[in-house]
Amino acid sequence: KAGVTQTPRYLIKTRGQQVTLSCSPISGHRSVSWYQQTPGQGLQFLFEYFSETQRNKGNFPGRFSGRQFSNSRSEMNVSTLELGDSALYLCASSLAQQSWSEQYFGPGTRLTVT
Amino acid sequence: AQSVTQLDSHVSVSEGTPVLLRCNYSSSYSPSLFWYVQHPNKGLQLLLKYTSAATLVKGINGFEAEFKKSETSFHLTKPSAHMSDAAEYFCVVSDGSARQLTFGSGTQLTVLP
Repeated sequence: KAGVTQTPRYLIKTRGQQVTLSCSPISGHRSVSWYQQTPGQGLQFLFEYFSETQRNKGNFPGRFSGRQFSNSRSEMNVSTLELGDSALYLCASSLAQQSWSEQYFGPGTRLTVT
Repeated sequence: AQSVTQLDSHVSVSEGTPVLLRCNYSSSYSPSLFWYVQHPNKGLQLLLKYTSAATLVKGINGFEAEFKKSETSFHLTKPSAHMSDAAEYFCVVSDGSARQLTFGSGTQLTVLP
């Protein structure tokens, strides 16, 4: 079974631009969560989607948004990029409706904002 | 509320010697606990999980962890380190109340030849 895939793997953007990252979960998984990983803040939860609905949201500004499609694929969008948004963005999928029970992670998208 | 503390940010061991990565947790409910490993430029891989079954949990690659409720600990061990074990390890807690995983700050494991 294919794992979680994320595209693109690397991205360079300029401050003020916007960016969209994509995540395809493991086949059959309906929950997708997004995390931001930085050296200073570690791994922080962004949001979680289940059956196209956002179920939970972390403490991030409204510039960070996401959505999930009927095939469970998910996208996250960051508008008006800031230098501090440079990070590894990880997507994780879960089979269980209680998505916090076990999650499988993709390789991440490395975003650099200049 | 749930939280997790990894007591060591860096651990160095020699190849063939035991590994101990320490983790303490805080949870208002019966927690699920996980250890994930992250190799450079890679995503996180699940090593093992505890979900209120046996307190001694065996994972992949020879790792195991013991859930100790009285000490609120979930330390990760391996009898004999291998060079390929060099990576960053994350202890993770989830109790369902926050409906999300909470990650520790990570322990960087270095394995010396």
